[in-house]
Amino acid sequence: TQLLEQSPQFLSIQEGENLTVYCNSSSVFSSLQWYRQEPGEGPVLLVTVVTGGEVKKLKRLTFQFGDARKDSSLHITAAQPGDTGLYLCAGARTSGTYKYIFGTGTRLKVLA
Amino acid sequence: KAGVTQTPRYLIKTRGQQVTLSCSPISGHRSVSWYQQTPGQGLQFLFEYFSETQRNKGNFPGRFSGRQFSNSRSEMNVSTLELGDSALYLCASSLGWGGSNQPQHFGDGTRLSIL
Repeated sequence: TQLLEQSPQFLSIQEGENLTVYCNSSSVFSSLQWYRQEPGEGPVLLVTVVTGGEVKKLKRLTFQFGDARKDSSLHITAAQPGDTGLYLCAGARTSGTYKYIFGTGTRLKVLA
Repeated sequence: KAGVTQTPRYLIKTRGQQVTLSCSPISGHRSVSWYQQTPGQGLQFLFEYFSETQRNKGNFPGRFSGRQFSNSRSEMNVSTLELGDSALYLCASSLGWGGSNQPQHFGDGTRLSIL
């Protein structure tokens, strides 16, 4: 059972465009992380959000945690080719068997 | 500060064999988690170790096992390999274990191919 759905699955845009990636669930998470993974490498942590409604900014990237802590979004402003990669969200559950549930992933390609 | 180190980076095995993968966490991190990543299933949680004890386990068969040593280094073993075990195996370390909300830091993985 996939508990975290990401959309879109694939995204190909031109340099300079804006984009938003969504991470949705019916479960409540105690925190949510966003990662970026490049080919041949492991995921690299971008941000952790903990509080419902929290907004964090990392240069051109803006992350938001939903008020109910069930969903999150990642907005990239003026995308650059260096933003190309697989974006993964991961929800942390403090009850049950699983520690982190990973989303299905969004593969982003930014064309120069 | 050294990151998470996984060895080997690449491995080729045949069906029925067994394999052991190694993970050295970031210094000071006591939790190590293992994941399987495939194109079709994405990142799937295998298990988590903290202070040499398995704290959480995902939904994988008993052929997948692990252990953690007193220096927090961890190994994962897969016995009786099947074609479907071909995947990127990722290790992640964090300061605390599952309930602590500590972020995870990943290694670059071991690419396992089964022939």
